[in-house]
Amino acid sequence: GQQLNQSPQSMFIQEGEDVSMNCTSSSIFNTWLWYKQDPGEGPVLLIALYKAGELTSNGRLTAQFGITRKDSFLNISASIPSDVGIYFCAGQLGYGGSQGNLIFGKGTKLSVKP
Amino acid sequence: ETGVTQTPRHLVMGMTNKKSLKCEQHLGHNAMYWYKQSAKKPLELMFVYSLEERVENNSVPSRFSPECPNSSHLFLHLHTLQPEDSALYLCASSQDLRGWYTFGSGTRLTVV
Repeated sequence: GQQLNQSPQSMFIQEGEDVSMNCTSSSIFNTWLWYKQDPGEGPVLLIALYKAGELTSNGRLTAQFGITRKDSFLNISASIPSDVGIYFCAGQLGYGGSQGNLIFGKGTKLSVKP
Repeated sequence: ETGVTQTPRHLVMGMTNKKSLKCEQHLGHNAMYWYKQSAKKPLELMFVYSLEERVENNSVPSRFSPECPNSSHLFLHLHTLQPEDSALYLCASSQDLRGWYTFGSGTRLTVV
């Protein structure tokens, strides 16, 4: 099946640092989404991107829909302790039927630097 | 209540037990989904319902049986599970099959 390559798999953050993560695919997506999952909870939508080249912000979070429509990145500026968690990218190939199903990356786990 | 609510939050069951997971959404969405989340694996889509009709079944073993009696409720009936079925089971809903998903908090299932 379709796969998304999400990197890095994990990273440690120190408060105040900027964080970047990305997702790539061999397929073209119509929609890119970024979710965050806290321990013991379900994923929560952070940002949705619908157009190639689109750059969207949500507070300290900024995400972009790659021009080729095969990638997306998420940046977190000036990280704070509550940013820890697992971040998932998700892509949607098309609209309707199985094309509308979200395909998820394996996640990027953010932890606080010891 | 708003959003997507899943019950129970935690479930421990023996391999010979029968149990059900429940999902309820108060968002007026028309599509609902079951996902399985295991450690170090991507979220695995199990079932998709649109307007109470199953539209996708991703080769899920028959020991998992979904039920969608109306557009607000989704169940996952479990019987004779295996230890490898232990995982976090997430329910999600979307406005339609094109929309982005709202997830519930999940049911942490442990099969002993």
